[in-house]
Amino acid sequence: GAGVSQSPSNKVTEKGKDVELRCDPISGHTALYWYRQSLGQGLEFLIYFQGNSAPDKSGLPSDRFSAERTGGSVSTLTIQRTQQEDSAVYLCASSPTASGNTIYFGEGSWLTVV
Amino acid sequence: QKEVEQDPGPLSVPEGAIVSLNCTYSNSAFQYFMWYRQYSRKGPELLMYTYSSGNKEDGRFTAQVDKSSKYISLFIRDSQPSDSATYLCAMSSGGGGSNYKLTFGKGTLLTVNP
Repeated sequence: GAGVSQSPSNKVTEKGKDVELRCDPISGHTALYWYRQSLGQGLEFLIYFQGNSAPDKSGLPSDRFSAERTGGSVSTLTIQRTQQEDSAVYLCASSPTASGNTIYFGEGSWLTVV
Repeated sequence: QKEVEQDPGPLSVPEGAIVSLNCTYSNSAFQYFMWYRQYSRKGPELLMYTYSSGNKEDGRFTAQVDKSSKYISLFIRDSQPSDSATYLCAMSSGGGGSNYKLTFGKGTLLTVNP
């Protein structure tokens, strides 16, 4: 597609449930990123993929968060046993190479934990 | 002290005004400086990037970086109602390392009134 595609666009889940968020990057982009945008917190880096490998997972807030990427393309961010503080917008981004000046974001997945 | 500081506004200007948006930062390793525009409930859209110090112009937008003062600016000339959005500054370090990892300001909410 023309841009980074994310699904679902909106998700409401009960506390304690697991959720999966999907990202389809721009075709040909080898680097993929997940960020989180919380009210009043700005955007926070979560994880970086180069191909199918994740050399930097330093932003994942706890071991309830995990992500994978397959075929050098689609990525899934999984949050287990969701908590209310997980409510946020989860943004996926991609770039042709691992360079900070060419990162393009998707529209985000708006997660609400009730 | 946060790595990147950005006045959250809100900033309200009349149509046609010149808008100045600013960020300060503390990490001297930052070398790439980006501005993103984010409309309500949309993902951030890359507007401009600048490497190191200097100015860059693109249509009605001018980005300035002063590394000696650790201060960056985005100027919008002849502002339009369609410019109403949240503007986010973002930065990353240069070279190998974590060039891909963006550190964001919290964003400035701009409203341009017709």
